[in-house]
Amino acid sequence: QVQLQESGPGLVKPSQTLSLTCTVSGASISGGSFYWSWIRQPAGKGLEWIGRIYTSGSTYYNPSLKSRVTMSLDRYRNQVSLFLNSVTAADTAVYFCARSSATNPYHYYMDVWGKGTTVTVSS
Amino acid sequence: EIVLTQSPATLSLSPGERATLSCRASQSVGSGYLAWYQQKPGQAPRLLIYGSTTRATGIPDRFSGSGSGTDFTLTISRLEPEDFAGYYCHQFGTSPWTFGQGTRVEIK
Repeated sequence: QVQLQESGPGLVKPSQTLSLTCTVSGASISGGSFYWSWIRQPAGKGLEWIGRIYTSGSTYYNPSLKSRVTMSLDRYRNQVSLFLNSVTAADTAVYFCARSSATNPYHYYMDVWGKGTTVTVSS
Repeated sequence: EIVLTQSPATLSLSPGERATLSCRASQSVGSGYLAWYQQKPGQAPRLLIYGSTTRATGIPDRFSGSGSGTDFTLTISRLEPEDFAGYYCHQFGTSPWTFGQGTRVEIK
């Protein structure tokens, strides 16, 4: 059974870079054909899709965040990473990672989610 | 980007009642590219429906999805206590993938 676990600093200072890791267990991020997405949710608000990284390492970022976002794969540690630079208070949110099958466009929905990690941007 | 608008924002119902949640897209979404998620406080979203109508593994049959084009509906035939939660529609047919702003189903 595939499980995802997000981790990273709970507090980040304004203008700094937010760095989060999604550790995947029960499957290899190098195996199969999958998208690994990051999604965030400010307290009491809805879900915002940040972007995705494919098994090969190719990425697509939401244009609303594209200038500040980087995602990468660490195949040795079986982890997916998110970097968001120049953060402000508006980036305070719960951050989730999630997996989608990429074998068929009809299966791009996110069926496995991590529990999320809370990040607060404050000095 | 495809904007998904959910209505109502909040639905106040009693256990046993029927819930009808709407999701309207700013442009056509292929019916195969629409999913619904349930989210309870402090938890991650859980996949309920994909392909507009197909229940995910383990989802009770009181949950059903319908719709095509720009109008989609999630129906809960008889609300159980555990169904009071937030619900989000999600389109993944056009990048960037987007979510609706959510409908909260609360106990009346």
